[in-house]
Amino acid sequence: DSGVTQTPKHLITATGQRVTLRCSPRSGDLSVYWYQQSLDQGLQFLIHYYNGEERAKGNILERFSAQQFPDLHSELNLSSLELGDSALYFCASSYRAGGYTFGSGTRLTVV
Amino acid sequence: KNQVEQSPQSLIILEGKNCTLQCNYTVSPFSNLRWYKQDTGRGPVSLTIMTFSENTKSNGRYTATLDADTKQSSLHITASQLSDSASYICVVSAWIYNQGGKLIFGQGTELSVKP
Repeated sequence: DSGVTQTPKHLITATGQRVTLRCSPRSGDLSVYWYQQSLDQGLQFLIHYYNGEERAKGNILERFSAQQFPDLHSELNLSSLELGDSALYFCASSYRAGGYTFGSGTRLTVV
Repeated sequence: KNQVEQSPQSLIILEGKNCTLQCNYTVSPFSNLRWYKQDTGRGPVSLTIMTFSENTKSNGRYTATLDADTKQSSLHITASQLSDSASYICVVSAWIYNQGGKLIFGQGTELSVKP
């Protein structure tokens, strides 16, 4: 157990639907990062939150959004889902200048 | 443009043999370089992390090297085991003022260890 908790582990949904992925960072970590990993693709950075504030955006689609709550957990919302959104979604947490710890991911399948 | 390139893309070795994976990067401003091991369908797990001033870092049978001048890193695995079969990802961190650490990921090397 890395200390970073992601739920759910698996998610199957239909095109056009909306889902929410949840990430609880490691205790003490203020930063949460979201990544998408498609089949045969490397990890693509989506968005970074630090202590509730958005810090950086990567290749995140407008249909996707995220937020970090006062208790530091984060949610990634994916809407108007398309087949191509099927992927593993990882979150990672870190403290200010330290190491990154990844969660075990959420496998999203859009059918 | 910040980039991390890994080679080879895939590698097959026999159990007990050694291997070396390569990582070349063009990332600025450089903060640190990490090697992760990612089992299929699982989250990446950190193996080593090296800052600018570190040349070598070991973690059991894994030894990473860093040449900050040539912007190259390698991960050497000795006496490979079947459980070493995984994707190995080189990740370079750039520290950007007001944004914190930005991770740039390589595409990974897929290692397969055969009996």
